[in-house]
Amino acid sequence: DVKVTQSSRYLVKRTGEKVFLECVQDMDHENMFWYRQDPGLGLRLIYFSYDVKMKEKGDIPEGYSVSREKKERFSLILESASTNQTSMYLCASSLVVAETQYFGPGTRLLVL
Amino acid sequence: AQSVSQHNHHVILSEAASLELGCNYSYGGTVNLFWYVQYPGQHLQLLLKYFSGDPLVKGIKGFEAEFIKSKFSFNLRKPSVQWSDTAEYFCAVNLFGNEKLTFGTGTRLTIIP
Repeated sequence: DVKVTQSSRYLVKRTGEKVFLECVQDMDHENMFWYRQDPGLGLRLIYFSYDVKMKEKGDIPEGYSVSREKKERFSLILESASTNQTSMYLCASSLVVAETQYFGPGTRLLVL
Repeated sequence: AQSVSQHNHHVILSEAASLELGCNYSYGGTVNLFWYVQYPGQHLQLLLKYFSGDPLVKGIKGFEAEFIKSKFSFNLRKPSVQWSDTAEYFCAVNLFGNEKLTFGTGTRLTIIP
């Protein structure tokens, strides 16, 4: 069974803190994605990776960076958290380009 | 830029009513189309998808969607909804060969028992 896990379900951080969100998939998928989900805005792509150490900017990369050192793991980094980064963060993976994406449970981040 | 529109933000129906949720996209090339669903407290999961072939596709739990190329639409339908269909529904589109998936803003569906 397909599985994408995210390190935390809920996270509370202070403005200016460095925040790491971890995502792990056990399906040997090439592609991994980070989205943020906000009410009324749907899902917006932050970054994606199509191979180890490869990354591409999505639609809203500002204020974020990513790391993919191993195929199964894709990390989202908020270098200096701000209140406007309070959101639900979803990780996803897919085997091939343009195929079904499998989502993790999400991390609800609150930045105070 | 590619965009996806879901005009219904919140739909409220009684059980056994028929459902149609609209989805329109802006790109004129070859596209792959998806509907995802997020039940309360659960992961976002695939409901159905269209890549090619029969424009009427069937998904899980009795849902279906019809791709109408001339209207740039991929509307989701179900003839008789159940209380358990209460969820948020997202339409998504990507250009053929492109990794990036563009999501609509979502439609919250509430089914009244």
